[in-house]
Amino acid sequence: AQSVAQPEDQVNVAEGNPLTVKCTYSVSGNPYLFWYVQYPNRGLQFLLKYITGDNLVKGSYGFEAEFNKSQTSFHLKKPSALVSDSALYFCAVTGGYQKVTFGIGTKLQVIP
Amino acid sequence: EAEVAQSPRYKITEKSQAVAFWCDPISGHATLYWYRQILGQGPELLVQFQDESVVDDSQLPKDRFSAERLKGVDSTLKIQPAELGDSAMYLCASSFRGNNSPLHFGNGTRLTVT
Repeated sequence: AQSVAQPEDQVNVAEGNPLTVKCTYSVSGNPYLFWYVQYPNRGLQFLLKYITGDNLVKGSYGFEAEFNKSQTSFHLKKPSALVSDSALYFCAVTGGYQKVTFGIGTKLQVIP
Repeated sequence: EAEVAQSPRYKITEKSQAVAFWCDPISGHATLYWYRQILGQGPELLVQFQDESVVDDSQLPKDRFSAERLKGVDSTLKIQPAELGDSAMYLCASSFRGNNSPLHFGNGTRLTVT
């Protein structure tokens, strides 16, 4: 069965500093990986995806993610955090024809 | 930008009552999903439609939950009777072509069962 692990419940980072939100996955076959962001009382918004190709994927709002096949990881990164980036971040995976599995989420708090 | 529409945004109901949620996906999106999100957890798939056909309802509690997408466009999720443990956010999402495409979510229905 496929699974996603987000090992940190919360990540705190100072405004202007780089941020990383961690994600590891387990799936049969080639993974399709996604990051979503959720603001309070809202649905999830798509940030970026990895299907194939370059291991560094760029997405919305200056976010990027690095796919590492050997470590089965797909960490979300941003060079310089903004207070407005504070939200709940979800990593998701599918093996293609299987349902999408979401992690439990990581709360990002950017401190002014 | 096109959005997934959901209604109502909030619903309070007493246990044993019936409740229904409605979703209108982005035009042209063949795949529609209903997710349940409990506070502090990630979304859990309840049912997935491809056009009007159910392709995955393995996690749908079929004794009380039902979902339909009669014309392959909008969809309704029903709970009857509601239980206290059903209190959660119910999210609808759509995608252009199945699980390999990004999911576009509505703002959800926050259900409280008293």
